[in-house]
Amino acid sequence: EVQLVESGGGLVQPGGSLRLSCEASGFIFSNYWMNWLRQAPGKGLEWVANINQDGILTYYVDSVKGRFTISRDNAKNSLYLQMSSLRAEDTAVYYCARDPPGDDAFDVWGQGTMVTVSS
Amino acid sequence: DIQLTQSPSFLSASVGDRVTITCRASQAFGTYLAWYQHKPGNAPKLLIYVASTLQSGVPSRFSGSGSGTEFTLTINSLQPEDSATYYCQQLNNYPLTFGGGTKVEIK
Repeated sequence: EVQLVESGGGLVQPGGSLRLSCEASGFIFSNYWMNWLRQAPGKGLEWVANINQDGILTYYVDSVKGRFTISRDNAKNSLYLQMSSLRAEDTAVYYCARDPPGDDAFDVWGQGTMVTVSS
Repeated sequence: DIQLTQSPSFLSASVGDRVTITCRASQAFGTYLAWYQHKPGNAPKLLIYVASTLQSGVPSRFSGSGSGTEFTLTINSLQPEDSATYYCQQLNNYPLTFGGGTKVEIK
């Protein structure tokens, strides 16, 4: 079964750091661009960052540039999001999602992990 | 950045109705537009990609059309399980952006 499972969410103080993980199974992870997205409470979906198959290319939404780093370990079928200098507005459910070659859409999503930034 | 504006933001319709959601872009792009269905507590589900291609396993009552700056998602014969929030997304330019969402309620 094709599956993405996020972990690492939790409560963190403003200015703190957190590392999210996304473990993939059921498909050849190294063939896919991978993405992180988020949904703040009561808000819509927001794309956060993505990374290409070999980890060389990365892109970010402006609001997280310089604070978040996306990375992957193809040997471990895992995607990561290192988050630092966290702000209250980073509070959200964070999802990972895969982007099949040529389809230009996110066809498999994880269930999400909640990140709460609060003192 | 490409801004996507969905309308309406909320709609209430009856089982069997035909429903249309519009997604308008702040600038023209090709057809790298996707539609997702999102139910509370669940992962978003891909319905349509490259504006009009139905994702495998998605019921044929869902269809997409459009290009340039205006795109539509149509649900023919609305079903109770279609109660959800629907989002459009452009994948033509970075940052990838979503519309604000359309919440569909079943009367």
